[in-house]
Amino acid sequence: DTGVSQDPRHKITKRGQNVTFRCDPISEHNRLYWYRQTLGQGPEFLTYFQNEAQLEKSRLLSDRFSAERPKGSFSTLEIQRTEQGDSAMYLCASSLWPTGYMNTEAFFGQGTRLTVV
Amino acid sequence: QKEVEQNSGPLSVPEGAIASLNCTYSDRGSQSFFWYRQYSGKSPELIMFIYSNGDKEDGRFTAQLNKASQYVSLLIRDSQPSDSATYLCASGSQGNLIFGKGTKLSVKP
Repeated sequence: DTGVSQDPRHKITKRGQNVTFRCDPISEHNRLYWYRQTLGQGPEFLTYFQNEAQLEKSRLLSDRFSAERPKGSFSTLEIQRTEQGDSAMYLCASSLWPTGYMNTEAFFGQGTRLTVV
Repeated sequence: QKEVEQNSGPLSVPEGAIASLNCTYSDRGSQSFFWYRQYSGKSPELIMFIYSNGDKEDGRFTAQLNKASQYVSLLIRDSQPSDSATYLCASGSQGNLIFGKGTKLSVKP
């Protein structure tokens, strides 16, 4: 399968613990996005990378959230000191960004459902 | 604040009818527009994208874009019960994609 892959699919953690999620994009895609989605809402932008560079981070994202894409391939999203409000589906998407053009189609992984108890 | 607005629905149509889903966006700099389908508990699945004013058809789906009115729509012809899902509209320029909250579509047999 050459789609976007996320791991784990589900994570239950106690409040205050740290969690880390992984995303493997479609291999030729240079852009990688992280979104968060809660029930009844659309995906909320968190951050995105072009290759290994983090180009934008949502102002809504607290300092407890950090993302990396060290070699321009897979990415990790870490949440420190989790809170119950962090419970959501965390979605990763990737796309191919041709130089000097505009957003092309982004494809999502299956998501990681986080529950903070 | 860049926003994408959608009627949350639910939109209910009988099987075989045309479903019309609408979306407006606030950023005049947006250049690309996407429709995703999301089944309950699943991740969004891309069904259509459109970059130019006018209509774009793909099977039973037609996307329509009017940049002057900042309006995007999705028509689903011959609606099937399997089309019952939430439809997300997204816009982008050169950065991140901005999503609406989605419209829930229910197709009744």
